[in-house]
Amino acid sequence: SAVISQKPSRDICQRGTSLTIQCQVDSQVTMMFWYRQQPGQSLTLIATANQGSEATYESGFVIDKFPISRPNLTFSTLTVSNMSPEDSSIYLCSAPDRANYGYTFGSGTRLTVV
Amino acid sequence: GQQLNQSPQSMFIQEGEDVSMNCTSSSIFNTWLWYKQDPGEGPVLLIALYKAGELTSNGRLTAQFGITRKDSFLNISASIPSDVGIYFCAGDNTGNQFYFGTGTSLTVIP
Repeated sequence: SAVISQKPSRDICQRGTSLTIQCQVDSQVTMMFWYRQQPGQSLTLIATANQGSEATYESGFVIDKFPISRPNLTFSTLTVSNMSPEDSSIYLCSAPDRANYGYTFGSGTRLTVV
Repeated sequence: GQQLNQSPQSMFIQEGEDVSMNCTSSSIFNTWLWYKQDPGEGPVLLIALYKAGELTSNGRLTAQFGITRKDSFLNISASIPSDVGIYFCAGDNTGNQFYFGTGTSLTVIP
């Protein structure tokens, strides 16, 4: 199965600052996905990141708040900008897994904004 | 996004008991996935289903793709303590985007 390395695993940030989360996949993938999981909740798709084009954002998520980079087929970053306590969540990246036709997830970034 | 409803929301069972949970959607899906999430970890894929009516097993886990393509079921037989976690269903009807269910929290009492 594909392996995704995500970092940082957790962070505590001051409101008004920004945090960039990185995901590295051990194989080339066309699409990567970024999810948010609020405490005790399910996963909500933030955006789809395609290499060579701008990310596609889901309703309720905008590029100014969650800029995404996808410089190559194995790497992506998500930035949470101008953070407020409401941004405290787990953020997860995901990529297709050719071995089993499912999707593999990184281990997540637990963000706390104070 | 699409809404997938899972039930039950939580379960408390004795070790050795069987577990059943399901996932329903208002939309038709072409693929159903079942994931398990342990605390502090990302979800891990358990079973993938690609055809209506399909029944697939992975050890003690069995999942079915509903005939209507709007639901899926997951069964766990002879539960053990390490089955504890949150189970999520996920559905896809576009080929490149999955929507996740509301989750079922499972507690196994030794």
